[in-house]
Amino acid sequence: QVQLQESGPGLVKPSETLSLICTVSGGSIRSYYWSWIRQPPGKGLEWIGYIFYSGSTNYNPSLKSRVTISVDTSKNQFSLKLSSVTAADTALYYCARHISASGIPFDYWGQGTLVTVSS
Amino acid sequence: DIQMTQSPSSLSASVGDRVTITCRASQSISIYLNWYQMKPGKAPRLLIYAASSLQSGVPSRFSGSGSGTNFTLTISSLQPEDFATYCCQQSYSTPFTFGPGTKVDI
Repeated sequence: QVQLQESGPGLVKPSETLSLICTVSGGSIRSYYWSWIRQPPGKGLEWIGYIFYSGSTNYNPSLKSRVTISVDTSKNQFSLKLSSVTAADTALYYCARHISASGIPFDYWGQGTLVTVSS
Repeated sequence: DIQMTQSPSSLSASVGDRVTITCRASQSISIYLNWYQMKPGKAPRLLIYAASSLQSGVPSRFSGSGSGTNFTLTISSLQPEDFATYCCQQSYSTPFTFGPGTKVDI
């Protein structure tokens, strides 16, 4: 059974960079696409971007200038960096898997990790 | 971006009730519509993909229908474990977008 687990600081200061890691267990990170998705308090889900295990990426244009997603196949992990954060970036951050670049759902998700942006 | 809307935003129901949730896309997304169940502190769960295909392991009381811009999720007989928030998502094109969710409570 594939499991995803998000990890990283729960508190980030404004203007700093948010960094999260998603660790994949029970399966290989190879041959799949891996996304980051977030949900601000009281709001809907927002797709941040994805990475293919080979390293190709696709970001949401609304966040593209601040987002970097990378993958480490040797550790079965992928990561998210979001720069210049503000209070608007406070959210529950999820990582998820999909088997194609489009047309396919997110079939496995992590439980999410809450990141608060505050001084 | 493709905008997704859902109705109702919340509903109250009882065990055994038939529940229907509607999702609409701002443009045609063919059948590339997925439904998720969300509970606090738990990983979101894929219920339905490609508008009407039941994900493995999901009870048959869940069903989906629709194509183009209009979609529905139906729970034929609500069970206690079904009280949750349900969210639709289009996987037709990036950026992938989600509906705002429908909270189903007692």
